[in-house]
Amino acid sequence: DTAVSQTPKYLVTQMGNDKSIKCEQNLGHDTMYWYKQDSKKFLKIMFSYNNKELIINETVPNRFSPKSPDKAHLNLHINSLELGDSAVYFCASSKTGGGGELFFGEGSRLTVL
Amino acid sequence: GENVEQHPSTLSVQEGDSAVIKCTYSDSASNYFPWYKQELGKGPQLIIDIRSNVGEKKDQRIAVTLNKTAKHFSLHITETQPEDSAVYFCAASKRDQAGTALIFGKGTTLSVSS
Repeated sequence: DTAVSQTPKYLVTQMGNDKSIKCEQNLGHDTMYWYKQDSKKFLKIMFSYNNKELIINETVPNRFSPKSPDKAHLNLHINSLELGDSAVYFCASSKTGGGGELFFGEGSRLTVL
Repeated sequence: GENVEQHPSTLSVQEGDSAVIKCTYSDSASNYFPWYKQELGKGPQLIIDIRSNVGEKKDQRIAVTLNKTAKHFSLHITETQPEDSAVYFCAASKRDQAGTALIFGKGTTLSVSS
């Protein structure tokens, strides 16, 4: 059983398109996150939700909109994709909010052409 | 906010040698310092962590040390094996404080040659 699963694993699209990445965790955790990993492997926090409530919203363009329909799911929708959005996006979860151990998904590699 | 610096960015060792990766953090209120290993095509995975009330922790070939005064912590891997080759990330956070998240260093690519 995969603890944190993301779909799709690969996403190739044209500039200007809109795309979504889905994430689900079956660990019963309260908090979920989106991290962005750029081509230099730098992992940067984007958003965090605790029990469906947005608690962290880093300096991210408002073209990125997270949605948490319930505490086991956190989706990421990106509008008007730009070349600089190309990266690997990781979903993660933790038992409670506040910087505890993270369990990561396998990542979704987004390539914008 | 927290800033984590990690060195070196790349590290090459021979099998059986030791490897050391060092990190510094900026926020003296940070109290949790995990290390993650990321293999190719996978998500990062926790390998060891340390809290601020402890100076050293060991798990088989892996050890972490923390110097709160200097605000730095290190990962030590002894008797390295080819399967230790991966990208390693340090991180810091104020654990259990609502609204915080792990802040990562920029990673170290470790290559162990046999």
